[in-house]
Amino acid sequence: AQSVSQHNHHVILSEAASLELGCNYSYGGTVNLFWYVQYPGQHLQLLLKYFSGDPLVKGIKGFEAEFIKSKFSFNLRKPSVQWSDTAEYFCAVNGVGSYIPTFGRGTSLIVHP
Amino acid sequence: DTAVSQTPKYLVTQMGNDKSIKCEQNLGHDTMYWYKQDSKKFLKIMFSYNNKELIINETVPNRFSPKSPDKAHLNLHINSLELGDSAVYFCASSHTRLALNTGELFFGEGSRLTVL
Repeated sequence: AQSVSQHNHHVILSEAASLELGCNYSYGGTVNLFWYVQYPGQHLQLLLKYFSGDPLVKGIKGFEAEFIKSKFSFNLRKPSVQWSDTAEYFCAVNGVGSYIPTFGRGTSLIVHP
Repeated sequence: DTAVSQTPKYLVTQMGNDKSIKCEQNLGHDTMYWYKQDSKKFLKIMFSYNNKELIINETVPNRFSPKSPDKAHLNLHINSLELGDSAVYFCASSHTRLALNTGELFFGEGSRLTVL
C-alpha cells in the first residue's frame, strides 16, 4: 500500500519569505510524485510532477520540488512567496501501475501581504 | 472548454433526502474518480471506474452508489443523506492506458454538499 505524509498542516509566511513544504511517502516500488494546489474555493490543479530523470522538478509559478529517493521525500520549495500563493497544497504519490493516487492531508499556506 | 465538469456546484438538503451529483469529462480519459474532501481538507478516494467498470470501492456506505453510463460520465447518487455526508465532492479523470498512465488527475470544480 502507498501512503503520503505531509508534516506541516498550517504554514503562515510573509510575502517574499522562502517556502519549503515537506512530503514523505511510503511505497515499495517505482513511484510518480505530484504536488497539487487548491486556491480558495477552487478545484485542485497540478503544480508539478516527477516521473523520472532529473530529481529537481520545476513547476508553474516559480515552484520546484526535489525527489530524494533515499529519503522517500518530495519537498516543495519556492524562494519567494507571494500573497497569491495562499492555498492548500497536496502531495500525492502513485505507484507505477496503480490507478489510484494517494494524497497527503494537505498543507494550508497563508501568505500575509 | 471545461475539461471535467460537475453539477451542481452547491447542494443544500435535509437529512434523509436522496440526491445526485453528475460529472462529465471531455478529455477522452478512460478512468474517472470520486473523491470526498472533508472539513479539514482531507481528500479521500471513494470510487474509481475504468471504462464504465468499477475498479475500486473504498470503505464507503452503500448509501453511495456510483453510476457510469459511459466512460465520459460518472454520477454519484446518495440515498438517505446524513449530517456526516456534508463535504465537497470532487470528480476527477485520468488516462490509464499503459503508454499514457502517469497517475496525473484532472479535477472538476467540486460540489459542496450541505446536509441540514
